[in-house]
Amino acid sequence: SAVISQKPSRDICQRGTSLTIQCQVDSQVTMMFWYRQQPGQSLTLIATANQGSEATYESGFVIDKFPISRPNLTFSTLTVSNMSPEDSSIYLCSVSRGLGTDTQYFGPGTRLTVL
Amino acid sequence: EDQVTQSPEALRLQEGESSSLNCSYTVSGLRGLFWYRQDPGKGPEFLFTLYSAGEEKEKERLKATLTKKESFLHITAPKPEDSATYLCAVHGMNRDDKIIFGKGTRLHILP
Repeated sequence: SAVISQKPSRDICQRGTSLTIQCQVDSQVTMMFWYRQQPGQSLTLIATANQGSEATYESGFVIDKFPISRPNLTFSTLTVSNMSPEDSSIYLCSVSRGLGTDTQYFGPGTRLTVL
Repeated sequence: EDQVTQSPEALRLQEGESSSLNCSYTVSGLRGLFWYRQDPGKGPEFLFTLYSAGEEKEKERLKATLTKKESFLHITAPKPEDSATYLCAVHGMNRDDKIIFGKGTRLHILP
């Protein structure tokens, strides 16, 4: 398994502002992912954070809205830009150690409320 | 298109009343099926990975089984602390190589 921490754990933000969420893992991992979980819904993959290159975004998510960094094998950030109330959600970081069918482990999540 | 359907959406049981949660899936070749537990306001906690039909895994009061079309999470003599949302996810041999999550089953165990 992996020990994953996220900062902040929760935040309340004003419309039009941006928030950067940090994800730190206790050991090097190959894959890091960012998910969104809206109230009462399941998890939706936003993007795969690639170390040393641009993130791979899923359909419906764009880099201008959700810029992602991954400077090394243990750390990634997700920024939610120009926020609106529709961005209110739980944002989750997950990691896996290898390619192929490898279990993903999740961080505790960041609960974001946009007013 | 790969799909994952979990049933029931919600389940209320008395403490000690055993039951099963279902995860039906449609994928073009299964690489792995995952079960997670999620408590309110927290990230999913990994429970099991199953790779092939006939495989079973157990952890305390939980046992996961897998067939070619579905997986069951059996809960034996549950306790109130087993109350949570249980998520199923599948990794198929799709071109996108993504893991797809079901919507979960909200389980509530009454003392």
